[in-house]
Amino acid sequence: GDSVTQMEGPVTLSEEAFLTINCTYTATGYPSLFWYVQYPGEGLQLLLKATKADDKGSNKGFEATYRKETTSFHLEKGSVQVSDSAVYFCALSDGTNAGKSTFGDGTTLTVKP
Amino acid sequence: DVKVTQSSRYLVKRTGEKVFLECVQDMDHENMFWYRQDPGLGLRLIYFSYDVKMKEKGDIPEGYSVSREKKERFSLILESASTNQTSMYLCASISAGARANYGYTFGSGTRLTVV
Repeated sequence: GDSVTQMEGPVTLSEEAFLTINCTYTATGYPSLFWYVQYPGEGLQLLLKATKADDKGSNKGFEATYRKETTSFHLEKGSVQVSDSAVYFCALSDGTNAGKSTFGDGTTLTVKP
Repeated sequence: DVKVTQSSRYLVKRTGEKVFLECVQDMDHENMFWYRQDPGLGLRLIYFSYDVKMKEKGDIPEGYSVSREKKERFSLILESASTNQTSMYLCASISAGARANYGYTFGSGTRLTVV
């Protein structure tokens, strides 16, 4: 079945540091790929998405590129802020009309001033 | 602003109680999902529904049932709550068809404690 493996955390960075959170996937068919963010005490919010190979999703300074050849969708940000502290989830959708998604275990990011 | 609303943020129930978790969406979405979130285990799918009165088991349906009598409402039922069902429960919805792969809209979650 489908699976998502993402970088284990927690990750601690200083403000303005470069962020990479690795994500690789296993899937049949042609999944869409997502990054979600969960701030403390809240549900998940969609951060960015890519629906086909070589697409780049971007939002709020975060980027990720759908790499079919390496089955990866790594999240990057050039300069993190304290407000980026959250849990980040990589996910894939099964490509059917139901849009059922499989999630990674989540990576906790803490950014220190 | 489009919304998925879960009726309770925090619940404390006793072992053996029947528990209802409610989720309502105002986006006219066809597909709705219930996940539970546990530390180190990520999100695991309990049940989903792709239409009124239709339901499909997810990866961990044991001990749970669901009800979808109206398009906007998807209820998760713990028939006899147990301590191992203490968790964060997340409801999500998404449109069907071509837009099914545009990403979920999640509710804020219900943190359930079974004592």
